[in-house]
Amino acid sequence: AQSVTQLGSHVSVSEGALVLLRCNYSSSVPPYLFWYVQYPNQGLQLLLKYTTGATLVKGINGFEAEFKKSETSFHLTKPSAHMSDAAEYFCAVNIGGFKTIFGAGTRLFVKA
Amino acid sequence: DSGVTQTPKHLITATGQRVTLRCSPRSGDLSVYWYQQSLDQGLQFLIQYYNGEERAKGNILERFSAQQFPDLHSELNLSSLELGDSALYFCASSVAQGASTGELFFGEGSRLTVL
Repeated sequence: AQSVTQLGSHVSVSEGALVLLRCNYSSSVPPYLFWYVQYPNQGLQLLLKYTTGATLVKGINGFEAEFKKSETSFHLTKPSAHMSDAAEYFCAVNIGGFKTIFGAGTRLFVKA
Repeated sequence: DSGVTQTPKHLITATGQRVTLRCSPRSGDLSVYWYQQSLDQGLQFLIQYYNGEERAKGNILERFSAQQFPDLHSELNLSSLELGDSALYFCASSVAQGASTGELFFGEGSRLTVL
C-alpha cells in the first residue's frame, strides 16, 4: 500500500533562509506526487506536482521539488523564505488517478 | 478561489445529533472526495465518488455516509455524533477518475464542533 512520510511536524527558518521540507513515499508503481499548502482557515491548494518527465518541478511562489526515485523522496525547497510562506505543507501521493494519500503535514514557521 | 463550494462553513451541534455537509464541485469535475482533518489524526481520506458512484473508501465510520447526486453535488451525512467527530471536513474535486493526474481542488471546509 502507498504511504507518505513527512519528516518533521514543525520546521522553523529565518526570513531569507533556505526552506527544506522532507517527504518520502512508498509505492509499488510510479506515483503522482504533490505538495499542497494550507494557510490558516483555508482549504488546501496545489503548490506543485510531479507526474512524468522532468524530475525537478517548479511550483508557485518560488517553490520547487525534485523527484528522486532511488531515494523515494520528493523534498520541497525554496531558496529564500518569506514571512508569507508560513503555513502548513502537505506532501501527497496518488496512484493511477485514484485515492490521494496525504502526509501528516509540516508546519513552517518563518522568523523575522 | 478553487471553485469548490462547501456549506455550512461552521456548525455547532450536540452529541447524538445528525448533520449534513454539502459540497458543490468545480464546474466539469466528476469526482468528489471527502476528507476529515483533525489535530490528532491529520488529513484522513473518507470517501470518493465519481459521477454518482462510490469509487474508493477510506477511514469512514459506519455512522457516516455520503452520496453524489445527478447534478454532481455531494453530501456527507454524520450521525450519532460524538465529541471526537469535531473536525474540519473538506470536500475536494477533480477532473476525472482514472485518467486524471490526481490533482485535487479543495473547498474551504466545514468546521464541525460537537459539544
